[in-house]
Amino acid sequence: NAGVTQTPKFRVLKTGQSMTLLCAQDMNHEYMYWYRQDPGMGLRLIHYSVGEGTTAKGEVPDGYNVSRLKKQNFLLGLESAAPSQTSVYFCASSGGLAGYNEQFFGPGTRLTVL
Amino acid sequence: DAKTTQPNSMESNEEEPVHLPCNHSTISGTDYIHWYRQLPSQGPEYVIHGLTSNVNNRMASLAIAEDRKSSTLILHRATLRDAAVYYCILSGGGADGLTFGKGTHLIIQP
Repeated sequence: NAGVTQTPKFRVLKTGQSMTLLCAQDMNHEYMYWYRQDPGMGLRLIHYSVGEGTTAKGEVPDGYNVSRLKKQNFLLGLESAAPSQTSVYFCASSGGLAGYNEQFFGPGTRLTVL
Repeated sequence: DAKTTQPNSMESNEEEPVHLPCNHSTISGTDYIHWYRQLPSQGPEYVIHGLTSNVNNRMASLAIAEDRKSSTLILHRATLRDAAVYYCILSGGGADGLTFGKGTHLIIQP
């Protein structure tokens, strides 16, 4: 089992460019999450999904869009990147509600927006 | 989700037990107590979680106060690999992920 994988590992964008971060999990989990982590801070939830075809907003959704077309994949899009979106992005998945079940995290994507 | 309070940092020696405290005085009856840790340059890793009773697993033990207003994560024999940021998180079981604070930075001295 690879667990949760994220692509790419690093990316540098210019302001206004767009990109998509891919998260994949091979544990057949229903729930998937995107978080961002700024230096010295804890993780903040961007968007989440409770199953294929569903998405919902988290704490800091502005400037991001997501899609869950396949159960195993959760995509995070930045339509017009801004320097404030420079951060490390983590994807996670869980087999049930986050409050009751273990979340499995990916290794992260380090994004710099110039 | 209710708020937790943790020390910013703690230091311990290798091969000794470590007790990481967490205060959560506004915890509700349905809130679970979760602990995750994050090693340098890695994603968070689940450690343990519980509701009312003390819990043990291969990584650690979780001691929950009788009034549930505080808890302690116990690493029985710290190794250098346990140096990480440890997050104490409360969750009422919703679908909307976990709320991470700044956690406790655990330093292990050889």
